[in-house]
Amino acid sequence: AQTVTQSQPEMSVQEAETVTLSCTYDTSESDYYLFWYKQPPSRQMILVIRQEAYKQQNATENRFSVNFQKAAKSFSLKISDSQLGDAAMYFCAYGGATNKLIFGTGTLLAVQP
Amino acid sequence: NAGVTQTPKFRILKIGQSMTLQCAQDMNHNYMYWYRQDPGMGLKLIYYSVGAGITDKGEVPNGYNVSRSTTEDFPLRLELAAPSQTSVYFCASSFGGSSYEQYFGPGTRLTVT
Repeated sequence: AQTVTQSQPEMSVQEAETVTLSCTYDTSESDYYLFWYKQPPSRQMILVIRQEAYKQQNATENRFSVNFQKAAKSFSLKISDSQLGDAAMYFCAYGGATNKLIFGTGTLLAVQP
Repeated sequence: NAGVTQTPKFRILKIGQSMTLQCAQDMNHNYMYWYRQDPGMGLKLIYYSVGAGITDKGEVPNGYNVSRSTTEDFPLRLELAAPSQTSVYFCASSFGGSSYEQYFGPGTRLTVT
């Protein structure tokens, strides 16, 4: 069975600095998708970024980018120029051959002014 | 578009009571999901549906039931509520399977005492 591990329960970053959130996963599938979701204090889950495993190029969305290392089964999220609005819980998720997503336990990011 | 809507937002149940959490989406998505989120944990899949009339169990289905009579609606039924069902419940929908973005509702905070 697939698993997703986020080993950093909490992280902190200064406003305007860069922070990297870690995610590792375990799978025997070769074709799959990886996601980062953001959950601010409002509880609303929002998709941040999506990576297709067959694409070697790392996905980017404005200030958000990923470092996808397929062989190492690693999928980290980099947030550049951190803003106060980036403070949230961030979840890594795996989507494979089933119709289901598997979520990690989350990393709570605090942004210090 | 309202997206994914959930009612109620909050509910307190006594042990042994039953209730239905409502979920509706207006995006014509075939796939719908129910998750629960416990403090400090990621999202656990309760049930999902790939289309009207088709449902399947997720990771934690015990104590819950679902039905999918229309594309738009996917209610979650709790029978004989127990304190272990105290959680935040999220409904989500997507156009396709696990490769697609899931759109989440705002969540229902349920307390069983």
